[in-house]
Amino acid sequence: GESVGLHLPTLSVQEGDNSIINCAYSNSASDYFIWYKQESGKGPQFIIDIRSNMDKRQGQRVTVLLNKTVKHLSLQIAATQPGDSAVYFCAENGPSNTGKLIFGQGTTLQVKP
Amino acid sequence: AAGVIQSPRHLIKEKRETATLKCYPIPRHDTVYWYQQGPGQDPQFLISFYEKMQSDKGSIPDRFSAQQFSDYHSELNMSSLELGDSALYFCASSLGTSRETQYFGPGTRLLVL
Repeated sequence: GESVGLHLPTLSVQEGDNSIINCAYSNSASDYFIWYKQESGKGPQFIIDIRSNMDKRQGQRVTVLLNKTVKHLSLQIAATQPGDSAVYFCAENGPSNTGKLIFGQGTTLQVKP
Repeated sequence: AAGVIQSPRHLIKEKRETATLKCYPIPRHDTVYWYQQGPGQDPQFLISFYEKMQSDKGSIPDRFSAQQFSDYHSELNMSSLELGDSALYFCASSLGTSRETQYFGPGTRLLVL
């Protein structure tokens, strides 16, 4: 079936550096994407979302880029901090219009002090 | 701000027993989603409700059933439990369905022995 996937299972960065987490999706009809952060033993926490009529959206220290041509999504975290260490998932709000989320395989972000 | 509440947080059951998981959405949210997350896996959509009616169904076993009540809380009933049902079960809520931010609860960790 359709899926949303991430390129790397683990990303290790130095504290203070910028992090880039990537995601590729396969459903060209997808029009809404969300990034979630999940810390160990906790539920996914909403970070930022983007609709298909946008290419870029910025939040506090985070930026999401959407390239519909190649069906690619990325999450950029500026000045990565130890508290950013977690698993990051991209998710697609599928075309069924019921709101169900299709998650990709997560990327574990490790921040080295 | 009020968040999604799930109970119990931890549950241990024997094979073939039954379990009931409860979810209390954020106040005024009318939509509830259930997801299952196995160890090291991404969350998988099970079922959702909008205004007390089932709105979508994913890979939910026939042994599982769920409903949303008049106060918008939801319960996931699991019967004839199997070892493979051991997982984290998350509930998420939103105001409306498609393309609305879903906020996740802390999850219920179910262990089937």
